[in-house]
Amino acid sequence: QKEVEQDPGPLSVPEGAIVSLNCTYSNSAFQYFMWYRQYSRKGPELLMYTYSSGNKEDGRFTAQVDKSSKYISLFIRDSQPSDSATYLCAMSADQAGTALIFGKGTTLSVSS
Amino acid sequence: DVKVTQSSRYLVKRTGEKVFLECVQDMDHENMFWYRQDPGLGLRLIYFSYDVKMKEKGDIPEGYSVSREKKERFSLILESASTNQTSMYLCASVRLRGEKLFFGSGTQLSVL
Repeated sequence: QKEVEQDPGPLSVPEGAIVSLNCTYSNSAFQYFMWYRQYSRKGPELLMYTYSSGNKEDGRFTAQVDKSSKYISLFIRDSQPSDSATYLCAMSADQAGTALIFGKGTTLSVSS
Repeated sequence: DVKVTQSSRYLVKRTGEKVFLECVQDMDHENMFWYRQDPGLGLRLIYFSYDVKMKEKGDIPEGYSVSREKKERFSLILESASTNQTSMYLCASVRLRGEKLFFGSGTQLSVL
């Protein structure tokens, strides 16, 4: 079983839709959870950062972490064409641990 | 904002050439990383460095080496470029592992 699993999509939605992106993981030691957004031919940019379990909201974006289920989600409300990108989940065990482990990314397309 | 700068956006090299990819960060981060990103394979860690002159192998170090002579600069070296090293190369840095990782814009390398 891979450490981090992420559905690659592609996911196509109309403008204004609510989008749900998900990752599952197997390592119960993961404590830090991140979502990156990557536009075509650009480097990933950090979108959301969460420590341990719970929810975090930033504008139209909400990140959820359920450590008991080893499952993290990113919700995008009122999706816009500018949200069209690849979304990567990433996680790590602790500050002295190994480098981030990334999911393979989900490609999202929002049509106007 | 943290800035991670990669010296080239696009690079075309011939098989057998020695290739240098340079990365500079401006936030005095201890940890720096080199990833490659390929369709369907996601981000794969090549090498990382947690201090000047220190380096650690990642998941796919074969055919690569690195150099970190100064804290702000982390270089990736392809000793003898091969066609299977055609890829997007991404540099990243972070102050402490587990914190937010910042990426450069990437170098798209083509080896012919």
